[in-house]
Amino acid sequence: EVQLVESGGGLVKPGGSLRLSCVASGLPFTNAWMNWVRQAPGKGLEWVGRIKSKSDFETTDYAAPVKGRFVISRDDSKNTLYLQMSSLTTGDTAVYYCATGGGIIPYWGQGTLVTVSS
Amino acid sequence: DIHMTQSPSSLSASVGDRVTITCRASQGINNYLAWYQQRPGKVPQLLIYDASTLQSGVPSRFSGSGSGTDFTLTISSLRPEDVAIYYCQKYNNVPFTFGPGTKVDFK
Repeated sequence: EVQLVESGGGLVKPGGSLRLSCVASGLPFTNAWMNWVRQAPGKGLEWVGRIKSKSDFETTDYAAPVKGRFVISRDDSKNTLYLQMSSLTTGDTAVYYCATGGGIIPYWGQGTLVTVSS
Repeated sequence: DIHMTQSPSSLSASVGDRVTITCRASQGINNYLAWYQQRPGKVPQLLIYDASTLQSGVPSRFSGSGSGTDFTLTISSLRPEDVAIYYCQKYNNVPFTFGPGTKVDFK
């Protein structure tokens, strides 16, 4: 059974930084392309970005609203995906989901809430 | 970037009704379209990919069709557990944009 467990969410002030983690199990993480998707309170789903596998050079892609502020990385030795967020604004307040897939997203974590507020 | 729209934004139906949701891409995306269901308070669940392929374990009352710019999700006979928001998503290339969602509830 695939499990994705996010952590690291919390309250942060505007302009601040936060790093989210996602530990994966039940899948060949080394070969997996991984995504972050977020959902603001009461709003729809927004794709944040993706990282390819090491064999695909760990190439990253980002949505325009986060490009230059967010960085996705991975540690295959720990089966862990990361999302480093900086220059946070209130618009970044959302539940952040870790999710597998190169486009199609069959597996999702339970999400971790990030609240950006003064 | 390609923009995704869905219609209607919400609908109310009765148990047993046939429900149809439309998704439109601002440019052609071949069949690189997925549908997700998000029940209240739950994590999104993949229903359909490649526009019409049913994900394993998804009930056969769900079906998808379309190609290019226009796509449809159909629930052949609505059940109580189908109350949810349904999102389409394009994945022909990045960004993997989601549609705004269609909320389905009961009359």
